[in-house]
This record gives sequence, C-alpha cells and structure tokens, in this order.
Amino acid sequence: ETGVTQTPRHLVMGMTNKKSLKCEQHLGHNAMYWYKQSAKKPLELMFVYSLEERVENNSVPSRFSPECPNSSHLFLHLHTLQPEDSALYLCASSQRKVSGNEQFFGPGTRLTVL
Amino acid sequence: KQEVTQIPAALSVPEGENLVLNCSFTDSAIYNLQWFRQDPGKGLTSLLLIQSSQREQTSGRLNASLDKSSGRSTLYIAASQPGDSATYLCAVTPWGTGGFKTIFGAGTRLFVKA
Repeated sequence: ETGVTQTPRHLVMGMTNKKSLKCEQHLGHNAMYWYKQSAKKPLELMFVYSLEERVENNSVPSRFSPECPNSSHLFLHLHTLQPEDSALYLCASSQRKVSGNEQFFGPGTRLTVL
Repeated sequence: KQEVTQIPAALSVPEGENLVLNCSFTDSAIYNLQWFRQDPGKGLTSLLLIQSSQREQTSGRLNASLDKSSGRSTLYIAASQPGDSATYLCAVTPWGTGGFKTIFGAGTRLFVKA
C-alpha cells in the first residue's frame, strides 16, 4: 500500500459514455498527478496539480478533464473517448520540495474503450 | 528536450545472479532521478530516489548510482530472486519544470528464473 488509492480499478466504456476516475491520497501531500500508460510506451504525464491549482497540462485532448477539489482528491472526467484511449491510468502524489518531488503511485485504473 | 533511455529492454537471469540495469538521460540539469518497480497491470512502487547532489542510494539489495556529467544511472540488484521479476522504470525530473514534469524511460523487464 502506497497511500494512494484509485477507483475503479477496471472500467469498460463506450465511446459515447461519460465516466470519472477517482484518486485519493492519504499521505498529506500537496501535489497530485495523472499519467497514462499505454502498451509498449513510456508513462506519459497528463496533468499536475499543486496546491489544488493545475500547473501542468501536457497537451491532453479536451475529452479528458481533470478536477482537484482539495489536496487529497483528484478526478479525471472522461467523455466521448476513442478506442486508442484504452490504457492504464495512474495517479500519483508528492510533497512539493525545492529539490524535486518523490512520487508515490496508486494501483491504476485499467480503462477499455469499446 | 529531455529523453530517458533504458537498456536492456528485457533481461532474463538465473536466481542468485547480481545484475545491473542501465538508464541514460540526455540533459544533466535534473532535480533528481527515481527508480521504480512495476508488476504487471499494477501501479509503480518507488525503490530509490537520488537527488542531483547525491551519487548513490542504497536500500537492502538495491543500489542506485547517479553520474550527471555522463547522463547515466545504474540500478544494481544483488543476489536476485524470482520475486524481483518485474519491470524497472527510471525517471528524471528536469530543472525548469517546477519539479513536476517527470520523464520516464520505457523500462527494463526483468525475469529471474528459479
């Protein structure tokens, strides 16, 4: 257990559905991240929130919409996804420091878009 | 643009062998370098974090080194065990990104045979 939980663990959705992924961290951290991990590709950073403010948006399509209501919770809202969006979506958290951040990851949500 | 490369992509060794995993990065201006382990379909587990001012870190049978000038890091695993079988990921956090934009390598898939 890393102190970062994600729900659901598995999700199958059609291209017209709307769903949300949830991440919660119990580590008292002040930064949270969404990553996408596709087969045979390195982890791709999607979004970063620091102190509940979005500080990084890595050219992610608008069909992915993040929300960070407080420092412990992070959501990824999904709508009109494409089959190529099928991937493992990982959430991470860290405590922001001048020397950089050690990130702790959740178990991921395996998303399949039909 | 920072790029992270891991060699080899896959490695199979007999139990008990000492082994070295390699990571190289193109820009030495980094906050830190982090090694992770990922089991199939799961999230990432942080193994070791090396700050830019440090040369190495050790945890149990694991030792990671950092040579910024050459853009290299190695992860040394002593007396490998079947339970070490997993994918090992290297990640760097570049300067000038606020400490948030971590770049990952594609990983080395390790299989330790009993």
